[in-house]
Amino acid sequence: GESVGLHLPTLSVQEGDNSIINCAYSNSASDYFIWYKQESGKGPQFIIDIRSNMDKRQGQRVTVLLNKTVKHLSLQIAATQPGDSAVYFCAESKTDYKLSFGAGTTVTVRA
Amino acid sequence: DGGITQSPKYLFRKEGQNVTLSCEQNLNHDAMYWYRQDPGQGLRLIYYSQIVNDFQKGDIAEGYSVSREKKESFPLTVTSAQKNPTAFYLCASSDGPRAFFGQGTRLTVV
Repeated sequence: GESVGLHLPTLSVQEGDNSIINCAYSNSASDYFIWYKQESGKGPQFIIDIRSNMDKRQGQRVTVLLNKTVKHLSLQIAATQPGDSAVYFCAESKTDYKLSFGAGTTVTVRA
Repeated sequence: DGGITQSPKYLFRKEGQNVTLSCEQNLNHDAMYWYRQDPGQGLRLIYYSQIVNDFQKGDIAEGYSVSREKKESFPLTVTSAQKNPTAFYLCASSDGPRAFFGQGTRLTVV
């Protein structure tokens, strides 16, 4: 079956630096991708999404890049802050809107 | 204010007992979902419902049951047939591909 996975389980970044979180997916039929942020003991919080007909989408301090050729998704966080420390999940969806999640990357921001 | 409410936040169950987790949404979303999360892992889909009075099994439905009698409510029952029920359970709703999550219920079997 399809799967969505992240390249690295953990990422340590210096406060103020940019963060890049990577995700590989295997189902080329997916047409929608989402990044979620989950803080300890809480539910996932929507960050940004991108459709398969797009390569890049920008939000506030975040950018998502989609490379369909190599089935790769990334989330870039500009000027990382202590409040960005969390687990980040990528998820993919097809027309039935069922989301498939990767295992997550734990981001730790160093002061 | 609008959102998804899960209750209780923490739940303890004795082995062999059934337990029901509550999920209510006032976002007027048609679709609702239940996910299970184990430590250090992603979310796995248990059941989902795209319309009232209809629901489908997800990837790990064994040992769970749901109902969808009202648009705003999608309760999950963890039955005694679920061999390893201790986990963090998340409910979500959507009116498109973007799902919104509740704050979760942590279930512990004692």
